[in-house]
Amino acid sequence: EPEVTQTPSHQVTQMGQEVILRCVPISNHLYFYWYRQILGQKVEFLVSFYNNEISEKSEIFDDQFSVERPDGSNFTLKIRSTKLEDSAMYFCASLEVGGSTEAFFGQGTRLTVV
Amino acid sequence: KQEVTQIPAALSVPEGENLVLNCSFTDSAIYNLQWFRQDPGKGLTSLLLIQSSQREQTSGRLNASLDKSSGRSTLYIAASQPGDSATYLCAVPSGEGFGNEKLTFGTGTRLTIIP
Repeated sequence: EPEVTQTPSHQVTQMGQEVILRCVPISNHLYFYWYRQILGQKVEFLVSFYNNEISEKSEIFDDQFSVERPDGSNFTLKIRSTKLEDSAMYFCASLEVGGSTEAFFGQGTRLTVV
Repeated sequence: KQEVTQIPAALSVPEGENLVLNCSFTDSAIYNLQWFRQDPGKGLTSLLLIQSSQREQTSGRLNASLDKSSGRSTLYIAASQPGDSATYLCAVPSGEGFGNEKLTFGTGTRLTIIP
């Protein structure tokens, strides 16, 4: 069964360092998303991406964040200068256009900023 | 702004019992509603997607209902098993477009099935 794949599963980084979280969406999906979940809190939307551009972003998604689809398969989230409060589980999701509109999520990357 | 609430926040039931989880949303203009399962420290597994035109959707021992006009959905789990222990989340897209809008999640119900 097709699935969304995220790497790494866990990343520890020092405050101020740049991190790149990677995702491989399901191959025929064209809508891509990043969400995050701070421990004990709701899953919250960060950004959506379609047709090689950002279609919507939340207030959380400030200038420290960027997304990219560098090739036909990967979708990345970059945090330029990590803060302690960026520690969270980050989820990538993808959705098929014109299909069931069911969103499929990856297993997440747990980011710990120390 | 869409808000999604799930009650109860936590539920413990003996194995074998049937149970109902509740989800309510403030803006009834939704394209669909999705139920997810989340195991501790893990990702989100889609359980059921129910379209706005549907009233029910079933998968195995799971049955989801949707009452769009009243802003409510329920997830019914029949004959519960210890393996059903997890957090259950509901989520709705932010508008009535094509269902590709961002999802707004509830806070979840943490379910524990007691053997």
